[in-house]
Amino acid sequence: DQQVKQNSPSLSVQEGRISILNCDYTNSMFDYFLWYKKYPAEGPTFLISISSIKDKNEDGRFTVFLNKSAKHLSLHIVPSQPGDSAVYFCAAGSGNTPLVFGKGTRLSVIA
Amino acid sequence: EAGVAQSPRYKIIEKRQSVAFWCNPISGHATLYWYQQILGQGPKLLIQFQNNGVVDDSQLPKDRFSAERLKGVDSTLKIQPAKLEDSAVYLCASSLSMGAAPNEQFFGPGTRLTVL
Repeated sequence: DQQVKQNSPSLSVQEGRISILNCDYTNSMFDYFLWYKKYPAEGPTFLISISSIKDKNEDGRFTVFLNKSAKHLSLHIVPSQPGDSAVYFCAAGSGNTPLVFGKGTRLSVIA
Repeated sequence: EAGVAQSPRYKIIEKRQSVAFWCNPISGHATLYWYQQILGQGPKLLIQFQNNGVVDDSQLPKDRFSAERLKGVDSTLKIQPAKLEDSAVYLCASSLSMGAAPNEQFFGPGTRLTVL
């Protein structure tokens, strides 16, 4: 039973345009959500998070939107840069329970 | 500040052999995590330590996997005997404390295990 789903395995975007990565979840008990970025041969690095009491969090070029009624969150990257090319994981958790990760979306930003 | 160190980076073994991975967390981090990431999947928590005690090992296949963190610093994860389905990247992560926000988990580069 996949509690966190990233239905798009890959996404290609032109440099300078907006990248939108999507994530759906099934467990309404999750109270925080995170996005991690992973380059090949490296471990995931934290990118941005959002609490369930918010619907938007912004950090520079990165914005995460949360729609609790739809159990959906998205990561917007604007403008996209070639260095953003990586695998992006959505993760969710509550309290001290382990993080649950999605399968990831591979973003390719084309110059 | 040095990051989470893991070794080896790559390991190839035959099924039924044994293998061990080592992790050294960021200095001062009390909480240590081992994750398994199978190709095409997200990381899955295997075990979580708080200092030298186990907090959560509910997803650790205890018939073949074991982990220890004897002195509350570095940790080893062992598989014996290995199966083909154990082929994965094993990620170690650490955080200051169990109550730390999840974005404060720092991951190591991982060990890629191939079981033939």
